[in-house]
Amino acid sequence: EVQLVESGGNLVEPGGSLRLSCAASGFPFNIYWMHWVRQAPGKGLVWISRVNPDVTHTTYAASVKGRFTISRDNAKNTLYLQMNSLRAEDTAVYYCARESRHDAFDVWGRGTMVTVAS
Amino acid sequence: QSVLTQPPSASGTPGQRVTISCSGSSSNIGSNFVFWYQQLPGTAPKLLIYRNNQRPSGVPDRFSGSKSGTSASLAISGLRSEDEADYYCAVWDDSLSAWVFGEGTKLIVL
Repeated sequence: EVQLVESGGNLVEPGGSLRLSCAASGFPFNIYWMHWVRQAPGKGLVWISRVNPDVTHTTYAASVKGRFTISRDNAKNTLYLQMNSLRAEDTAVYYCARESRHDAFDVWGRGTMVTVAS
Repeated sequence: QSVLTQPPSASGTPGQRVTISCSGSSSNIGSNFVFWYQQLPGTAPKLLIYRNNQRPSGVPDRFSGSKSGTSASLAISGLRSEDEADYYCAVWDDSLSAWVFGEGTKLIVL
């Protein structure tokens, strides 16, 4: 079964750091672009970042550039999101998603909740 | 405020046809493929339409997508209660060098 499972979400204070993980299974992880998308409570979807299969190309939304770092370990079939200098507005459910050959986000995880508050 | 404009809500009765619009610009919808996602309450988003009008396997043909110029639409025919969900359009924006989502449309089945 094709599956993505996020983990690492937690309550963190403003200015703190957190690393999210996304474990992939059921498909050849090392050939797909992967993405992070977040959704603040009661709000819409917001794209955060993407990484290509060999980690030579990463892209970020302006709102997180310089604070967040996307990475992956193809040997472990795992995608990561290192989040630094966290702000209250980063509070959201964070989803990882696979990009299909048709450029669509065709597989999504269930998400992991990040709460930034003191 | 998103660069893609969707109506905040839409509604219809069972069996009706409903359309949801997504308005953008030349840097996004005008030059790239549009995608639609369905998010049922409390669940992760699900791909509904890719590359403007293509349905993934398993998506009923009641769902259809179209694009014209800098706007796109999602049509749902034969509306069913289980279609009650949030619907998002998404597209790559060349100016922002980022994927952008619409703000979402909550579909209510009366």
